[in-house]
Amino acid sequence: DIQMTQSPSSLSASVGDRVTITCRASQNINSYLNWYQQKPGEAPKLLIYAASSLQSGVPSRFRGSGFGTDFTLTISSLQREDLATYYCQQSYSTRTFGQGTKVEIK
Amino acid sequence: EVQLVESGGGLVQPGGSLKLSCAASGFTFSDSVMHWVRQASGRGLEWVGRIRSETYSYATTYAASVKGRFTISRDDSKNTAFLQMNSLKTEDTAVYYCTRQDSSGLYDYWGQGTLVTVSS
Repeated sequence: DIQMTQSPSSLSASVGDRVTITCRASQNINSYLNWYQQKPGEAPKLLIYAASSLQSGVPSRFRGSGFGTDFTLTISSLQREDLATYYCQQSYSTRTFGQGTKVEIK
Repeated sequence: EVQLVESGGGLVQPGGSLKLSCAASGFTFSDSVMHWVRQASGRGLEWVGRIRSETYSYATTYAASVKGRFTISRDDSKNTAFLQMNSLKTEDTAVYYCTRQDSSGLYDYWGQGTLVTVSS
């Protein structure tokens, strides 16, 4: 089974800050990596698919990068509405999720 | 528009059974791979299992934590997927989401989830 290791588990940043979340796969998954945003009481929302493709309707401040085993989600300028938990997910073989990163606003 | 509506959640005693349904619309259900994902309160997302289409003989795959206790099935004539949960444990308490794998295989569409509580 493919394991996904996500870090940090939580972070606190100010509005306007650049935020970076990393995700590492236990084996090569090419670009089969997605990023989801989940707000309390809601289902996860797709932000980035195939490592770097922005889902329709998602603000351009969200950017994904990486290939193989190491991936990054960057929020270029944090906004209050970005308060949420972010998960990476591999779709190379069945599905596995990272542990999540809770983003808080200072 | 892809729509997935889960139902069947509720309170069940340890050792009991429950069957969840996922009603789908807005896409060709019979061609789609369907997954179930769960999330315990305050915890992360855990993949439960998937079922492939008739083309792939409705093959199923499960997470180790539920293998032998949970069964995924589908009724293509009713555009519905199911999750039969037997021998339930308190640690199975979670919101259960149904997801549809996009035809590209890259990502998933999600339902809103249904809450299952296993407690005496």
